[in-house]
Amino acid sequence: EVVLTQSPGTLSLSPGERATLSCRASHSISRNLAWYQHTPGQAPRLLIYGASSRGTGIPERFSGTGSGTDFTLTISRLEPEDFAVYFCQQYGGSPMYTFGQGTKLEIK
Amino acid sequence: QVQLQESGPGLVKPSETLSLTCTISGGSISNYYWSWIRQSPGRRLEWLGHIFSSGSTNYNPSLGSRVSVSIDRPKKQISLKLTSVTAADTAIYYCARVRDSVEYGDYFDHWGRGTLVTVSS
Repeated sequence: EVVLTQSPGTLSLSPGERATLSCRASHSISRNLAWYQHTPGQAPRLLIYGASSRGTGIPERFSGTGSGTDFTLTISRLEPEDFAVYFCQQYGGSPMYTFGQGTKLEIK
Repeated sequence: QVQLQESGPGLVKPSETLSLTCTISGGSISNYYWSWIRQSPGRRLEWLGHIFSSGSTNYNPSLGSRVSVSIDRPKKQISLKLTSVTAADTAIYYCARVRDSVEYGDYFDHWGRGTLVTVSS
């Protein structure tokens, strides 16, 4: 099983600041990584797939980088609506899909 | 805009069968994989299994034979059954559409809001 470890667990920032979130895989997963945004009570929202491709309608301030075992999600300038939980997901192996434990992005 | 809506009992007794339905609107059910995913309190998301529109399935080995997913194409519904439930199966259950991509790896491009199922007597 590919285990995804996200850091930090909680990130406290102010609107307008830059957010950098990390996702590390226990085995190489090439670029088979996606990022999601989740506000409790809402449907999770796809942000990034293939490590760096933005989903439909996702603003340019969201960007993803990385390959192999180390991946990063960057939000260039935080908007009030960006404060949420972010999780990563990989494809491959058994089980087919696994998820990181999440990073909570909170307002400082 | 594709929308997914989970529905089913919010309370299930231990040892019984959990049954949920996901209704798809705003898009086709055909030529996609449809997954069930859950999140138990304090734990990360866990993929349970998926079904292709043709009916082929794939499940998380950790659940053994307890899990099954089925499809009703005319009703545009996906169903989940989880047998012999225990308190550990208490979770928010989500359905999601899979985009399968050789180039990018599979990912979930549409999700429902989820439904909370509590296992308790």
